[in-house]
Amino acid sequence: EDQVTQSPEALRLQEGESSSLNCSYTVSGLRGLFWYRQDPGKGPEFLFTLYSAGEEKEKERLKATLTKKESFLHITAPKPEDSATYLCAVLTNFGNEKLTFGTGTRLTIIP
Amino acid sequence: DTAVSQTPKYLVTQMGNDKSIKCEQNLGHDTMYWYKQDSKKFLKIMFSYNNKELIINETVPNRFSPKSPDKAHLNLHINSLELGDSAVYFCASSQDRRAGGTDTQYFGPGTRLTVL
Repeated sequence: EDQVTQSPEALRLQEGESSSLNCSYTVSGLRGLFWYRQDPGKGPEFLFTLYSAGEEKEKERLKATLTKKESFLHITAPKPEDSATYLCAVLTNFGNEKLTFGTGTRLTIIP
Repeated sequence: DTAVSQTPKYLVTQMGNDKSIKCEQNLGHDTMYWYKQDSKKFLKIMFSYNNKELIINETVPNRFSPKSPDKAHLNLHINSLELGDSAVYFCASSQDRRAGGTDTQYFGPGTRLTVL
């Protein structure tokens, strides 16, 4: 069965302190890996899609990378507004459309 | 201009009642989903529809019945509500890469269901 594990569960950083969130996965065949941001009381907001090992995507202070076993979400010089829960999810095999989510990393940026 | 919308945002009801949640997407996607997020914030797929046809049904009790009148709408009807049904329910939609999309699922704002 497909499995997604995110670490750490929670992370507190000072404003400007860069760090990385980890998403490791075990799947039968990766079709895509997705990063979402979720604020309290809201739906997951799409950040990045990665399709194959070696791929990287960037958006403002965030950069997502993918290997054959894991993905990292790098946060450079974070600001308080980056505080949120970051979710990783995998999609496998055409014909099976379900996203398998990790349990998320709750990120808090302290001013 | 909301891409995926759900109504209502909050739903409070008594055990045993029947309720519905509506979802609409204006992205032109072929596939729509229902997910459940429990108290520990874990998101799990319930159903998936492609062009009004059920393609995923993940061991959800028969009390839950999705209905897709057209490919832009996917509603969720729940019979005989139980305490354990309390959760946040999210609708999502996507377009398959083979059909010109990106496989990315876009989520609605969620419906918080509380069963008393």
